[in-house]
Amino acid sequence: NAGVTQTPKFRVLKTGQSMTLLCAQDMNHEYMYWYRQDPGMGLRLIHYSVGEGTTAKGEVPDGYNVSRLKKQNFLLGLESAAPSQTSVYFCASRRGLANLVEQYFGPGTRLTVT
Amino acid sequence: GENVEQHPSTLSVQEGDSAVIKCTYSDSASNYFPWYKQELGKRPQLIIDIRSNVGEKKDQRIAVTLNKTAKHFSLHITETQPEDSAVYFCAALINRGYSTLTFGKGTMLLVSP
Repeated sequence: NAGVTQTPKFRVLKTGQSMTLLCAQDMNHEYMYWYRQDPGMGLRLIHYSVGEGTTAKGEVPDGYNVSRLKKQNFLLGLESAAPSQTSVYFCASRRGLANLVEQYFGPGTRLTVT
Repeated sequence: GENVEQHPSTLSVQEGDSAVIKCTYSDSASNYFPWYKQELGKRPQLIIDIRSNVGEKKDQRIAVTLNKTAKHFSLHITETQPEDSAVYFCAALINRGYSTLTFGKGTMLLVSP
């Protein structure tokens, strides 16, 4: 099993450009999450999904959109990138059962917006 | 919503010493408390977790304690080694419905040989 994978690993964007980050998991997990990590700020939740076709806002959703068309994939979109979106983005997933709450993280995507 | 405070933000110890990182949470309904270790440039990885029906859990050199009354939990690392150097995050989860993990801001642990 590959676990949780993210594409791309690195990206540099100019202000105003758009891009999509892809998260894929092969563990048949119901729940998926997108976080951003900034120095001294910990991990902040952007959006999450509890199942195919459903998404919800997290703590810092502005400027991002998400889609979960397939259970194994969770896409994070930036429609018009801003320098404030320079960050490391982590995807995570877990089972949807109350007794299986461990979250597994992907390797991260380092995004720089100039 | 839940709020998790983590202290200290940095911690320097000598190899062989013990290290303690403390977290407090605000919502008494939180009932799952994981700790993640993140090495430089890597993903966060779960190292130990505890549920609210347990007061302490150990796994070799690491242990976590939970005080539900005071709403705080701590990570204890004994006999620290240079490879323990990393950023450690605590988190709390209200395990009902579609609730999400709330993370502390992290502690950078530096273990000097």
